[in-house]
Amino acid sequence: DTAVSQTPKYLVTQMGNDKSIKCEQNLGHDTMYWYKQDSKKFLKIMFSYNNKELIINETVPNRFSPKSPDKAHLNLHINSLELGDSAVYFCASSQLQGNGYTFGSGTRLTVV
Amino acid sequence: DQQVKQNSPSLSVQEGRISILNCDYTNSMFDYFLWYKKYPAEGPTFLISISSIKDKNEDGRFTVFLNKSAKHLSLHIVPSQPGDSAVYFCAAEDTDKLIFGTGTRLQVFP
Repeated sequence: DTAVSQTPKYLVTQMGNDKSIKCEQNLGHDTMYWYKQDSKKFLKIMFSYNNKELIINETVPNRFSPKSPDKAHLNLHINSLELGDSAVYFCASSQLQGNGYTFGSGTRLTVV
Repeated sequence: DQQVKQNSPSLSVQEGRISILNCDYTNSMFDYFLWYKKYPAEGPTFLISISSIKDKNEDGRFTVFLNKSAKHLSLHIVPSQPGDSAVYFCAAEDTDKLIFGTGTRLQVFP
């Protein structure tokens, strides 16, 4: 029973398309995140939500729009995809500081 | 401007020996420091953390040391096993997010 699951695992799409990545956690955590791992393998936060409320938007282009219908779900919608959006996107959740975040297995997005 | 740095991109260690992974940070206000392990095509997995008010935390084969004056932490793995071969990320926890280093690839050979 996967704690943080995200779908799809792989996504190949053309420039200009709109796509969504879904994330669900069954840990009862209050806070969820989206991280991006770029081609240099650098993991950087994009968004965080606490109990459905946006907490962090780390200067991400507004083509990226997160949506949290409830505290167990945090989806990421990307409009007008660009080549530079190609990366691995990780969803994560956490409850208490210092206890670590639980990450999903990632979605590899390739824009062609 | 990177607040968390791992200056060694890779490390190779013989099985049974100690692996030492290093991490430096710039912000003395971080509350916690964490280490994550990552295998290819998987998400990072939490290994061990340390509060900024402590200088050592141990969990089985894994020990994290924090030197606040030097703004440096290290992860010791002893004895190293082939299954430890992975990328290790150091992270600092701010109030509401984790800031990651660039990772160190550890290879443990027989």
